[in-house]
Amino acid sequence: AQKVTQAQTEISVVEKEDVTLDCVYETRDTTYYLFWYKQPPSGELVFLIRRNSFDEQNEISGRYSWNFQKSTSSFNFTITASQVVDSAVYFCALSEAGSGGYQKVTFGTGTKLQVIP
Amino acid sequence: AAGVIQSPRHLIKEKRETATLKCYPIPRHDTVYWYQQGPGQDPQFLISFYEKMQSDKGSIPDRFSAQQFSDYHSELNMSSLELGDSALYFCASSLAQQLGSPLHFGNGTRLTVT
Repeated sequence: AQKVTQAQTEISVVEKEDVTLDCVYETRDTTYYLFWYKQPPSGELVFLIRRNSFDEQNEISGRYSWNFQKSTSSFNFTITASQVVDSAVYFCALSEAGSGGYQKVTFGTGTKLQVIP
Repeated sequence: AAGVIQSPRHLIKEKRETATLKCYPIPRHDTVYWYQQGPGQDPQFLISFYEKMQSDKGSIPDRFSAQQFSDYHSELNMSSLELGDSALYFCASSLAQQLGSPLHFGNGTRLTVT
């Protein structure tokens, strides 16, 4: 079963529109973390944000905002006033304790965002 | 700021050959992770090391092996290469193995097996 589900495979928006990327996760652990990563066309994976399972406060960073809802196991990412430079594949990831108690990070399938000028 | 360095950036090998990918973590990071990303796929966890010991193992084929050295750099050794091994291989490092330590990724090695 997929631990991290990003149901939107591809999204296209026109520049300056707002867009929300959905992420639903599955875990039995009470302590875990969630990440968002950006993968632009150049290929590198860029860390955007981390959220722990005990902190449901929404976070805003410039045009980016994140909505964590434990009740629905969701950690959605909104880009306000999108720009062409936001075009990338965005991955949601779950950090849990793997075998031996060490961190294991599982990625979702990614959402490809295309911002059209 | 220093980032994770991977070498080579690109590698072309033939079937049944071997390949070695190298990863130099961010200074003072003691944990290294290897991921494989096929075309249009999400990164799949292969293996991780903490303080030079294997800490976890994912979907790494038996034909692959990896280790972390005393200077914390890591190498992924791939033998009997198959066409299906063509992918982008990422190394990531983090400060400590604890939950929530963000993974910082290198630019990846693109392996093409012909």
